Amino acid sequence: KNQVEQSPQSLIILEGKNCTLQCNYTVSPFSNLRWYKQDTGRGPVSLTIMTFSENTKSNGRYTATLDADTKQSSLHITASQLSDSASYICVAPREGGSYIPTFGRGTSLIVHP
Amino acid sequence: DADVTQTPRNRITKTGKRIMLECSQTKGHDRMYWYRQDPGLGLQLIYYSFDVKDINKGEISDGYSVSRQAQAKFSLSLESAIPNQTALYFCATSDLGGGDTQYFGPGTRLTVL
Repeated sequence: KNQVEQSPQSLIILEGKNCTLQCNYTVSPFSNLRWYKQDTGRGPVSLTIMTFSENTKSNGRYTATLDADTKQSSLHITASQLSDSASYICVAPREGGSYIPTFGRGTSLIVHP
Repeated sequence: DADVTQTPRNRITKTGKRIMLECSQTKGHDRMYWYRQDPGLGLQLIYYSFDVKDINKGEISDGYSVSRQAQAKFSLSLESAIPNQTALYFCATSDLGGGDTQYFGPGTRLTVL
């Protein structure tokens, strides 16, 4: 069974600071990896999708990186805002071909003013 | 209007009752999913359907059943609810042509007493 492990479990930062969230996965062969943002009490929303050929992808203040050799991904948030307070979830496919996702437990980010 | 809707949004029921959660989507996607989310845990897949005639068990299907009434509708039933089914339930849709990014509904908070 493919595994997705995220760290840290939770993180508190001050508004305006940067932070980096980590994700390790085991799926092989690898097709793509996604990051989702989930606000409290709401459904997750897609932030980025990265294929095996991509090393980095940005979406505004969010930048995701991927190292397919070490099977690690990171999500970097620049100049954090209060609205960034949420859970950030890393998702990898369970198997190649038909896409069945495996969700990490998420990193809970709190941004304080 | 929201693309993926779930009803009810909140439900409190008693042990042994049969409960149905409904999901509707206007995105025109073929693929639909039901997930369960417990505090501190990742989203767990209950059932998924890739088209109207296709139903597949996920990792935690015991105690649940589903019906795909149409492309736009996918309902989840708890045949005889038990307290450990208390959780937040999410419906999601995806489209292979869109990279299988998942679009989530707002969630149903179910409490079984």
